[in-house]
Amino acid sequence: QQPVQSPQAVILREGEDAVINCSSSKALYSVHWYRQKHGEAPVFLMILLKGGEQKGHEKISASFNEKKQQSSLYLTASQLSYSGTYFCGTDNLSNTGNQFYFGTGTSLTVIP
Amino acid sequence: KAGVTQTPRYLIKTRGQQVTLSCSPISGHRSVSWYQQTPGQGLQFLFEYFSETQRNKGNFPGRFSGRQFSNSRSEMNVSTLELGDSALYLCASSFGTVGDEQYFGPGTRLTVT
Repeated sequence: QQPVQSPQAVILREGEDAVINCSSSKALYSVHWYRQKHGEAPVFLMILLKGGEQKGHEKISASFNEKKQQSSLYLTASQLSYSGTYFCGTDNLSNTGNQFYFGTGTSLTVIP
Repeated sequence: KAGVTQTPRYLIKTRGQQVTLSCSPISGHRSVSWYQQTPGQGLQFLFEYFSETQRNKGNFPGRFSGRQFSNSRSEMNVSTLELGDSALYLCASSFGTVGDEQYFGPGTRLTVT
């Protein structure tokens, strides 16, 4: 039930763009995106809800394809501070609470 | 406002012992979820408590248990520790509505020897 993320790792130069994908084998109610820096706790970035509602950052956007059970995170004009491991988290359909399955993670490194 | 706090931050235990970890959520948050993070398995959901009741549970053995108090603080207990229980244990709090963002604590690093 763990969502699969791709790519597993990516290295960017400052200013470049990146796309991280998250794919689930189960129907989804919502998709959450988090970033975790080494030695720190995950930090909330974005939520996408069934029906199209989004909540999140200005410089980070995401899409949620309910039919394909997929989500993509778009990082534009990357900065050094974007480095970290990105996780998607999925809420399975008809869930009554916060039961998440976090994805396999994508390590993103931004270099000068 | 104050963030999610977890105590202790580091813990070393011996196989067979038991351990209790504590999590204090953000004020006003009624949901507390617990996760285990390891390099091999990633972030895995343990359970979620809402208003003192376990609302959701992941696929972990019964050695892992938890509870939540009336002030929303939560504890997680692991009995009969195994080497494989060595991990970073994270708790996260939210208002508890489906789709709410979660705020994570710094975690408790448990090492079992």
